[in-house]
Amino acid sequence: NAGVTQTPKFRVLKTGQSMTLLCAQDMNHEYMYWYRQDPGMGLRLIHYSVGEGTTAKGEVPDGYNVSRLKKQNFLLGLESAAPSQTSVYFCASSSHYEQYFGPGTRLTVT
Amino acid sequence: RKEVEQDPGPFNVPEGATVAFNCTYSNSASQSFFWYRQDCRKEPKLLMSVYSSGNEDGRFTAQLNRASQYISLLIRDSKLSDSATYLCVVPNAGGTSYGKLTFGQGTILTVHP
Repeated sequence: NAGVTQTPKFRVLKTGQSMTLLCAQDMNHEYMYWYRQDPGMGLRLIHYSVGEGTTAKGEVPDGYNVSRLKKQNFLLGLESAAPSQTSVYFCASSSHYEQYFGPGTRLTVT
Repeated sequence: RKEVEQDPGPFNVPEGATVAFNCTYSNSASQSFFWYRQDCRKEPKLLMSVYSSGNEDGRFTAQLNRASQYISLLIRDSKLSDSATYLCVVPNAGGTSYGKLTFGQGTILTVHP
């Protein structure tokens, strides 16, 4: 049972490049979330999904897009990366309030 | 008032010490609360849930004071392995939808020999 997995684990992008982060969960959870974590800022919700085919904006959605075409997958896209998007990105899933997190993706934008 | 607020610390304590962290929240309608633990460069993991006045699990005790809108986490007989960041988490802290959590900034604990 893998739980929540994220790919890639590390990535360096140049300003203006695009990329997609993939999150997969095998717990059949309805809810999935993308967070970013920055020093001194805590975890901030970017986008979330309450079920397959649905997405909604969180606290800091600008510059990101998401898709949930399959229940087990939640994709986070950066269309034109900016240095301000340098962060650690965590995906999580839940069936109720307890959220299970993936190991994170460390993204650096130069 | 911030939705969820914690003292960031750091707390530096010797092994065997008792240490307590507090967390305040703004939404008086919140019914359940959580403490997550996050090790350095790792993902957050659930430590304890608090649904009524409190919860105890071994050396860890979480208490809830609804009147004053704060949650506390007490760690007794601290171990070196307790060194981590402790995140206070409140569901629907901003009055938003089911399943969303609001995380505090975290309290850093370092236990030294």
